Amino acid sequence: GQSLEQPSEVTAVEGAIVQINCTYQTSGFYGLSWYQQHDGGAPTFLSYNALDGLEETGRFSSFLSRSDSYGYLLLQELQMKDSASYFCAAGGSYIPTFGRGTSLIVHP
Amino acid sequence: NAGVTQTPKFQVLKTGQSMTLQCAQDMNHNSMYWYRQDPGMGLRLIYYSASEGTTDKGEVPNGYNVSRLNKREFSLRLESAAPSQTSVYFCASSEANSLYSNQPQHFGDGTRLSIL
Repeated sequence: GQSLEQPSEVTAVEGAIVQINCTYQTSGFYGLSWYQQHDGGAPTFLSYNALDGLEETGRFSSFLSRSDSYGYLLLQELQMKDSASYFCAAGGSYIPTFGRGTSLIVHP
Repeated sequence: NAGVTQTPKFQVLKTGQSMTLQCAQDMNHNSMYWYRQDPGMGLRLIYYSASEGTTDKGEVPNGYNVSRLNKREFSLRLESAAPSQTSVYFCASSEANSLYSNQPQHFGDGTRLSIL
């Protein structure tokens, strides 16, 4: 089985940088994904790390350390529209297991 | 591009009624999934289908059945709805076709189901 831990809520100011952490315990780990979900909307894929290190996609970056069973999502130059829930998901077989989500609140 | 389409978007049922949630994808994906999302619980997998003609149980399958009608369509059925099944249901699909694949999942807009 797999379990993932992430903070329930993070707050930050517009223009700042914020990091959302995710630790996982899993058997058969293949990679870590991140999804964004706005209130009332569908989850949308942000990034995936199969190997250790940093993956950058525009303002968003994701990091994985397999030895520490740890990853994070880094959001830079925060905008109000980044206020949403962010889920990490550990990939194993066909089936990713999702964390409970982190609610990011961006203040002006 | 339609992506993943779910119907209906909203539904209210009485306890004991039956209901089928429909899902279709137009991306030629092999794998399809049904999740439920409850406040503070994240997404929990109900059933998945790795390919046409196969279905498997996820984390919370009790009270549900599924049918992979063809490559495009994957339906979820509640035979006798219970208040504990009040939730938001998401269908998803992905290109994943091997044990080592973790292709991104593409989600539908969800079905908001209330059972009284």
